Amino acid sequence: DTAVSQTPKYLVTQMGNDKSIKCEQNLGHDTMYWYKQDSKKFLKIMFSYNNKELIINETVPNRFSPKSPDKAHLNLHINSLELGDSAVYFCASSHMDASTGYTFGSGTRLTVV
Amino acid sequence: AQSVTQLGSHVSVSEGALVLLRCNYSSSVPPYLFWYVQYPNQGLQLLLKYTSAATLVKGINGFEAEFKKSETSFHLTKPSAHMSDAAEYFCAVSESGTASKLTFGTGTRLQVTL
Repeated sequence: DTAVSQTPKYLVTQMGNDKSIKCEQNLGHDTMYWYKQDSKKFLKIMFSYNNKELIINETVPNRFSPKSPDKAHLNLHINSLELGDSAVYFCASSHMDASTGYTFGSGTRLTVV
Repeated sequence: AQSVTQLGSHVSVSEGALVLLRCNYSSSVPPYLFWYVQYPNQGLQLLLKYTSAATLVKGINGFEAEFKKSETSFHLTKPSAHMSDAAEYFCAVSESGTASKLTFGTGTRLQVTL
């Protein structure tokens, strides 16, 4: 009965590889997000989708490409991974008016070696 | 543009003492305010939220926060710290009425000592 689930939980990969992180929510929310937490614990939004439409696209390298097949899923694909991409990536979801708050997944720890 | 400032990256209290974690925000529109807790190697758990109802908000685990518009503050308190409260705490702001981005503060690590 997990509300926001991400897979995989851990991802170790070599520089230059392409990888994907998947996210699914069963809360009936219509908006989903990707956040990046760096080594200093700072959290920054990357993307947001509302009903499969991209509504927020922060300054993120175009090697990062989100995809939302439906409003319950938001995946993140990363091309040509670099050492600096190592971080924890969190998926989150909310209702459009955000009045009930934002629910976060447990995170995906990406390590690029 | 919205922003959050958390004063004190590290706060240490004794078990049983008052916990006070400070948060000040900046927002051009009425804000929604949140406190999240992150335990080591875990995700973010919502402690409490202010979404323009009562200014004193009670959350889980005995935490509460008070929205003070005049001071643009949303400080988190707990009357008596417990060892299990040791974690990273994040204050966050978003614009009310729309699923805009949630902007986080830099976090405060709470240490609880015996």
